This record gives sequence, structure tokens and C-alpha cells, in this order.
Amino acid sequence: GAGVSQSPRYKVAKRGQDVALRCDPISGHVSLFWYQQALGQGPEFLTYFQNEAQLDKSGLPSDRFFAERPEGSVSTLKIQRTQQEDSAVYLCASSLSQVPYEQYFGPGTRLTVT
Amino acid sequence: AQRVTQPEKLLSVFKGAPVELKCNYSYSGSPELFWYVQYSRQRLQLLLRHISRESIKGFTADLNKGETSFHLKKPFAQEEDSAMYYCALLVAGKSTFGDGTTLTVKP
Repeated sequence: GAGVSQSPRYKVAKRGQDVALRCDPISGHVSLFWYQQALGQGPEFLTYFQNEAQLDKSGLPSDRFFAERPEGSVSTLKIQRTQQEDSAVYLCASSLSQVPYEQYFGPGTRLTVT
Repeated sequence: AQRVTQPEKLLSVFKGAPVELKCNYSYSGSPELFWYVQYSRQRLQLLLRHISRESIKGFTADLNKGETSFHLKKPFAQEEDSAMYYCALLVAGKSTFGDGTTLTVKP
């Protein structure tokens, strides 16, 4: 079946613009995660949903970052007033169970802020 | 706070040689630990998890609570093992990843 998909795959934004990144998890997956991966580093946790409930948003770096999953499936990560330090690959992952023993990752969205 | 350290950014071995990718973690509770792999131009995928004590593609990893380590080992490396490897610690739904080790297996 289809895996986790993310769109757009690449996004170039001018500093100060707002962006929205979309994640389509595997159908039926309960848990959904967002990560930020800077060049040369491992993925860093941003936030975590179980169905439509956002259970942990401790990794969001500032109040410019906002994530939602209103119907418990598709999720959107929004970044307002983008800054250069927001340039990174944003990864989405989903997991069938509430305890994410196996996360399935999307291909990522590469965001470049100029 | 949880932390995962992978001390080697790059590791290069010859085909057929043993390989060990190091992972150390800091967490005071009972950890759930994983290894993820990313092959060239592919997405990140789970390789193995300590709770299942399995061997995947010839790789094994043993949790050593005394040394707070979860090193990944394979007795005979293959060229197709060349990839980026990430160790990760899971606590309450939140995964903490190391910065990864790039493994190159030379022919």
C-alpha cells in the first residue's frame, strides 16, 4: 500500500513568509509525528498526535510553529514568519499503534528560507 | 532530558569485516531503543528494536544498561550495508535521535 507522503517535497520561502507543510500518513495509523532535521544532524522531535489530539508539542521551537491534525488523518505543519534558521528537512512519520514501536517515515519536505 | 550519542560520524570497513556502530544514551528509566537506517535516496526506516531481540539483515544490537549503550553489530559487512544509521531512544511517544553514523563498506 501507499506509504507516508509529504508535500511539497521542496519549498523555497523568502524570510518572513508563512509556509504550510502537509503530511498524509498511512491509512489507519493512529500516531503521527513531526521532526526537523538540520543538515548533518539527526531528526529532532517537534510534535506528536494521537488521532486528532496533540499529545506533545514540547519540541516546537517557537510560537511561530503550529501543527494540526483536525480529523485524525492528514496533518499540517505551519511556520509563520519564516527565518533562515528554519531551513531544514521536515519529516513526518506515522505509527499504527499508540506506542510507536515502528514509525514509518515520509520522504520529507526540504525547506529553504532565503 | 534524554540524549543519544553516536560518537562516530563516519565509519569505513572492508567487505567481510566485522562492523560495530556505537550508540550511548542517557535516560534514568527503562529505555526503548531502536536503530533506523537510511539508504541512499530512500527514506528513513526502522532496522531493529531492542524489545524484539531480533536479527535483521545480519545486524544485532544488545542493550547494556550498565554502560548505557546499544551498539549495532554485524559480523560480516556487505557493500549493500552502506548507509546512514541512526540510534533512537523512545520515551512517552517522543523519540530522541543521535546524529547518525555514515557507514561505508568498501569492496
